[in-house]
Amino acid sequence: QSVLTQPPSASGTPGRRVTISCSGSSSNIGSNTVKWYQQLPRAAPKLLIYSNDQRPSGVPDRFSGSKSGTSASLAISGLQSEDGADFYCATWDDRLDGVIFGGGTKLTVL
Amino acid sequence: QVQLQESGPGLVKPSETLSLICTVSGGSISRKFWSWIRQPPGQGLEWIGYVYDSGSTKYNPSLKSRITISVDTSQNQVSLTLKSVTAADTAVYYCARDSFCGGDCFDSWGQGTQVTVSS
Repeated sequence: QSVLTQPPSASGTPGRRVTISCSGSSSNIGSNTVKWYQQLPRAAPKLLIYSNDQRPSGVPDRFSGSKSGTSASLAISGLQSEDGADFYCATWDDRLDGVIFGGGTKLTVL
Repeated sequence: QVQLQESGPGLVKPSETLSLICTVSGGSISRKFWSWIRQPPGQGLEWIGYVYDSGSTKYNPSLKSRITISVDTSQNQVSLTLKSVTAADTAVYYCARDSFCGGDCFDSWGQGTQVTVSS
């Protein structure tokens, strides 16, 4: 059971917009910045978003992040078939004194 | 462009010690945070801990009593030692770099190395 709660699955059709939520608490999302990672099949994770809403260079602006209170969201617009992957949110937890990950959301592009 | 490559034994016996090395090329190991993260089969990601180039460390409390992470700046390597392994330690182990978040984000990853704990 992850400290950060994500829906296990999400889906969308090409060209549409999909959002993935990440729910935490005051000791993690509520007081630290959120990161999002994309893990394609049989590959290492890749950083998509850091500091809640910042994209590393090379990440398309179709990917956007937001945070409000103790929850965060990742939005993917203009969905493409190659976006099918597992997505993980992550942040620091002050109570546990370490990095925590959400359980992951499997995105299917229909 | 920095590259990270994990190496180590693919198979470890229960109760033994696992040792992994992450070799960094194409960039300096200095003034960066270096983490180990693992992923059990079919499951999500678990942060193991990090080391900064000065040698300061932070570990996952659930693993703290069994792990040591260290850095060798002369060899551009980061190492992980995990003692008293059990089947629950079977996972893909990733080495990852944090170059701009202060220890809790991972902007470059190795390809991962599979570790199986079995007799």
